[in-house]
Amino acid sequence: AQSVTQLDSQVPVFEEAPVELRCNYSSSVSVYLFWYVQYPNQGLQLLLKYLSGSTLVKGINGFEAEFNKSQTSFHLRKPSVHISDTAEYFCAVILDSGGSNYKLTFGKGTLLTVNP
Amino acid sequence: DTGVSQDPRHKITKRGQNVTFRCDPISEHNRLYWYRQTLGQGPEFLTYFQNEAQLEKSRLLSDRFSAERPKGSFSTLEIQRTEQGDSAMYLCASSSQGMGNTIYFGEGSWLTVV
Repeated sequence: AQSVTQLDSQVPVFEEAPVELRCNYSSSVSVYLFWYVQYPNQGLQLLLKYLSGSTLVKGINGFEAEFNKSQTSFHLRKPSVHISDTAEYFCAVILDSGGSNYKLTFGKGTLLTVNP
Repeated sequence: DTGVSQDPRHKITKRGQNVTFRCDPISEHNRLYWYRQTLGQGPEFLTYFQNEAQLEKSRLLSDRFSAERPKGSFSTLEIQRTEQGDSAMYLCASSSQGMGNTIYFGEGSWLTVV
């Protein structure tokens, strides 16, 4: 079975600093990879996704992520964060297989707190 | 595109009562999903519909849980004889057919069982 590990449960940073949120996955088949953001008391919003092609994926709000197949990682980065980026970030995968290629498996999330 | 709508947003119920949540997906989406999220955890898959057919149910969905999507449009999730362990946020999501299409989430329905 596939699994997603988000290595940091909390990441505090100062405004305008760079940030990296780490995500590793395990799967015996190819996967599609996603990052979602959840603001307090709200649902999830897609930041970016990797399906195929270029391993560097750009998303909304200045975020980007890089797929590294050999390290089974999909880390999320932003060069300069804002107070408004404070939220919970979830990494997720979908198996590239015929049976369940619709089911997202999520990590436990990383709380990004941006301080002034 | 009005997004995925969920109702109610918050529900407090006494243990043993039944509750029902409603989800209205994005209108042209034929796929609909329910997830459950507890504090400090990522969402966990509960069930999946393609049009009106329920194609997968997680083991998390005990016999007290039932989901329907009678006309392939809106969906309901009913929990019978609620227990305190059912307290969570129930998220509905939808997407169009095809791999890679974005799965859009609603804002969730918070359930507190007292």
